[in-house]
Amino acid sequence: AQSVTQPDIHITVSEGASLELRCNYSYGATPYLFWYVQSPGQGLQLLLKYFSGDTLVQGIKGFEAEFKRSQSSFNLRKPSVHWSDAAEYFCAVGAGNQAGTALIFGKGTTLSVSS
Amino acid sequence: GAVVSQHPSWVICKSGTSVKIECRSLDFQATTMFWYRQFPKQSLMLMATSNEGSKATYEQGVEKDKFLINHASLTLSTLTVTSAHPEDSSFYICSARENNEQFFGPGTRLTVL
Repeated sequence: AQSVTQPDIHITVSEGASLELRCNYSYGATPYLFWYVQSPGQGLQLLLKYFSGDTLVQGIKGFEAEFKRSQSSFNLRKPSVHWSDAAEYFCAVGAGNQAGTALIFGKGTTLSVSS
Repeated sequence: GAVVSQHPSWVICKSGTSVKIECRSLDFQATTMFWYRQFPKQSLMLMATSNEGSKATYEQGVEKDKFLINHASLTLSTLTVTSAHPEDSSFYICSARENNEQFFGPGTRLTVL
């Protein structure tokens, strides 16, 4: 069965510093991978997704992620964090063999930004 | 991009009552919608897959008689929490599928007293 692991429960980064949030997945075939951000009490906003092709994916708000099949990873990065990036970040994998199927989410990583 | 709305955004009810949550795709038709539940400081867990014109498919451990799902049109799916109890208090989020993407609603905060 598919699964997603986000090893870091909580990360604190200084404003302006770089960020990397880790995500590992378990899936037999080529996965459909997503990163979402959730502000307190809010719904989910899609940051970026990987379906196929270029393994380095650019998203909104200056985020990018790299799909590494050999490591079963899809880590999220941002070169310079802003205070407004403080939120909960979820990595997710498509549950089926088609894009657009239900998603399996990791437990999330809480990002705090210090000044 | 595609927009999904949920109503209400928050609801407080007494134990034993039923609550209906609506999920609407505003600018597209969605044959398939999904319902997720999120407990405080936890991840989203898929509850069920809602298909227009047919019965919903529930995930293991989700009581279909307690969480009634109706997907009567291509733009509306409803989740009714029947005989709600405090342990049903949670954040309920729906998503709608268009082509190969899912678009999430803003969520509904349910508090059962």
